[in-house]
Amino acid sequence: AQSVTQLGSHVSVSEGALVLLRCNYSSSVPPYLFWYVQYPNQGLQLLLKYTSAATLVKGINGFEAEFKKSETSFHLTKPSAHMSDAAEYFCAVSGNDYKLSFGAGTTVTVRA
Amino acid sequence: GAVVSQHPSRVICKSGTSVKIECRSLDFQATTMFWYRQFPKQSLMLMATSNEGSKATYEQGVEKDKFLINHASLTLSTLTVTSAHPEDSSFYICSALKATGDEQYFGPGTRLTVT
Repeated sequence: AQSVTQLGSHVSVSEGALVLLRCNYSSSVPPYLFWYVQYPNQGLQLLLKYTSAATLVKGINGFEAEFKKSETSFHLTKPSAHMSDAAEYFCAVSGNDYKLSFGAGTTVTVRA
Repeated sequence: GAVVSQHPSRVICKSGTSVKIECRSLDFQATTMFWYRQFPKQSLMLMATSNEGSKATYEQGVEKDKFLINHASLTLSTLTVTSAHPEDSSFYICSALKATGDEQYFGPGTRLTVT
């Protein structure tokens, strides 16, 4: 079974500041890990994914995440926040069956 | 490429009626589609896995007789909420897995309100 825990339900950052969203996973098999973004009343958009290749994964919109097996973490970062980054972010994990287990989500607000 | 659509985007129905939601992969074939439910301010919960040409598999706690899933073709899966009640009001999101890949593509969601 797989699960993820997102630390912090809400993160507020200033425009131009670092965005850091935390995700820890639990998996009985080598995990596939994902970060998704959701804007209000919309579906999910994939930011990036880890599938056992490089541990540092670069995604869209300047986001990146690092897979750390020793810490069972897959934290998401962006060096400089933009107003358009305000959204809900979900970390997710799956095994070989492709079934996604999502974290509770983190709401990001960006202050001008 | 890899676009998934859902129809309708919003639906309001009366308690006791049934509602059908369609999920289509527009530019690729999807042997597997997933249905998720999202309550306000909460995360997505997997309801069921839909495989083309076979019966859907439901997650624990999801009533298969209430949430009927049909995956009749490689581009279409439908979710029918039967005898809907106000507690079924939610945001229903589907995703489609490419037959040749390992990434899910999500639809825009359907907002169901049962009055």
